[in-house]
Order: sequence, then structure tokens, then C-alpha cells
Amino acid sequence: AQTVTQSQPEMSVQEAETVTLSCTYDTSESDYYLFWYKQPPSRQMILVIRQEAYKQQNATENRFSVNFQKAAKSFSLKISDSQLGDAAMYFCAYGALSGYALNFGKGTSLLVTP
Amino acid sequence: DAGVIQSPRHEVTEMGQEVTLRCKPISGHDYLFWYRQTMMRGLELLIYFNNNVPIDDSGMPEDRFSAKMPNASFSTLKIQPSEPRDSAVYFCASSRWGPGELFFGEGSRLTVL
Repeated sequence: AQTVTQSQPEMSVQEAETVTLSCTYDTSESDYYLFWYKQPPSRQMILVIRQEAYKQQNATENRFSVNFQKAAKSFSLKISDSQLGDAAMYFCAYGALSGYALNFGKGTSLLVTP
Repeated sequence: DAGVIQSPRHEVTEMGQEVTLRCKPISGHDYLFWYRQTMMRGLELLIYFNNNVPIDDSGMPEDRFSAKMPNASFSTLKIQPSEPRDSAVYFCASSRWGPGELFFGEGSRLTVL
């Protein structure tokens, strides 16, 4: 079974600074997708960024970027110029191309301080 | 286009009562998923459907849990009888294809007293 591990239960960053959230996963598949989801206090799960394993280039969405290390099975999320609205739970998720559902990590709670 | 719609948003019930959670997926999405979120266990997949057919229900914790998808625009998750340990947020999500991007509903927070 594929597992997703987020080793940082909580992280804190000052406004305008940069923070990196870690995620590792375990799989024997070669084709898969990785995702970062954000869950603010409103509870709504929102997709932040997606990475296809076959792409060597790291995905970027505005202030959000990933560092995808396929050999190391690592998928970290970097948030630049952090804003108060970035405060939320962040979940890393894995989906095998041969499968159907996403497996989620336990999440990292991000606190943004003024 | 409307997103995934879940109801009720909040449900408080007493132990032993039947609970029914409802979900309307995004039109055109072939996959529907039910997840449960708790502090201890995080997000757990309960069951998912492809074209209204249940594909994998191995995550359903007990026989007290059942899920149906009678048509492409409606699914239910039923707990009968409910127990306090069922208290959680239940999410419904849909996607165009299996491991693709999931679109989540706002979740149903269930409290069983």
C-alpha cells in the first residue's frame, strides 16, 4: 500500500517569509501524481498544486512551488512571500496512475504570524 | 458550474440513531469518493464509485456503514446505528478520472452523542 508521510505536524512562518513543508511517500509505481491540498478553517479542501511524476520540471503556481525528488520519493511545498491567508492545514496526497483514489498524509498545520 | 454539494453541513444525533449523508458530485465526473476526517486518523478513504458502481469499499469500517449511488448525480452514506466514535467530518469528492484532481464538498460534520 502506498503511504504518505508528513513529518511536521505544525509549522510557523512570519508574514512575507518563505516556508517549506515536507512530504515523503512510499510506492513501487512509476507513474503517479502528487498533490498539495490546503484546508483553511472553513474546512473546504482546495487544490494548491499538482505534479506529474513523469515530469522532471517542478510545478509552480504563483507563490507556491514544489521540490519533487522522484528517486528520494520526496515532494516538498515551498510557499514564498507568506500571507496571513496561507494559514491552514496542508495535506500532501498521492495517486497512482494504476489506481483510482488519492492517499493523504496526516497534514501540517501552518501558522502565519504578522 | 456548481461544485460538489453535501448535506447536511452539520448533524448532531444520539447514539443508535440512523444518519444519512448526501452528496451531489460535479456533473460529468465519473468518480465519486467518500472520505472521513478525524484528528487521530486524518483523511481516510471509505469507499469510491466509478460510473455509479462501487469499486472499493475496503475502507468502510463496519457493516453499520453503507453507501449507495443510485444515479450519476447523487450518493448517500448511511450509518445505522450510529456510535460516538463515528463522530468526524465526512467529505464527498468527485473527479473526472481516478487519480486526477479531486474536487471536495464542504464536508458534513457529524457529532454522535
